Amino acid sequence: AQSVAQPEDQVNVAEGNPLTVKCTYSVSGNPYLFWYVQYPNRGLQFLLKYITGDNLVKGSYGFEAEFNKSQTSFHLKKPSALVSDSALYFCAVRTLNSGYSTLTFGKGTMLLVSP
Amino acid sequence: DSGVTQTPKHLITATGQRVTLRCSPRSGDLSVYWYQQSLDQGLQFLIQYYNGEERAKGNILERFSAQQFPDLHSELNLSSLELGDSALYFCASSVGGQSYTEAFFGQGTRLTVV
Repeated sequence: AQSVAQPEDQVNVAEGNPLTVKCTYSVSGNPYLFWYVQYPNRGLQFLLKYITGDNLVKGSYGFEAEFNKSQTSFHLKKPSALVSDSALYFCAVRTLNSGYSTLTFGKGTMLLVSP
Repeated sequence: DSGVTQTPKHLITATGQRVTLRCSPRSGDLSVYWYQQSLDQGLQFLIQYYNGEERAKGNILERFSAQQFPDLHSELNLSSLELGDSALYFCASSVGGQSYTEAFFGQGTRLTVV
């Protein structure tokens, strides 16, 4: 079964510092990986995806993610955190269900950026 | 704004009742997905429709059902509601079904069962 794990419930970082939100995956075959962000009382917003190609994927709002096949990881990164980045972040993997694609999400990591 | 519209935003109902949640996908998207988000279970995939037909099922209870109409909007029906059904229900849409593109999520319907 396809799955992703987010080992940290919460990540705390000071504004201006680099941030990393961790995700590891377990899939058979080539992984299709995604990051979404959820702000309070809002739906999930797509940040970026890895399908194939460069291991470093750039996304919205200055975020990027690094795909590492040997470590089965897809960590989300940003060089300089903003207070407005504080939100709940979800890693997800494409899952084939009856031949159709759905998303399986991790449990989420709360990112808190302090001023 | 993702382009996915969900109504109502909030719903409070009593145990044993039945409710219907509605979703309008982004223009041009054929796939609609329903997810349930709760504190203890996280984000759980419930069901997917593609161009009017059910395509994939996840952890959806038998008390729950969904459909997608010819105009591609979808409804999720929850019946014999229990306290544990209180959650945020999200609809998402995407262009394709088999070859995956990113899904776009609505703002959700917060269901409270009292």
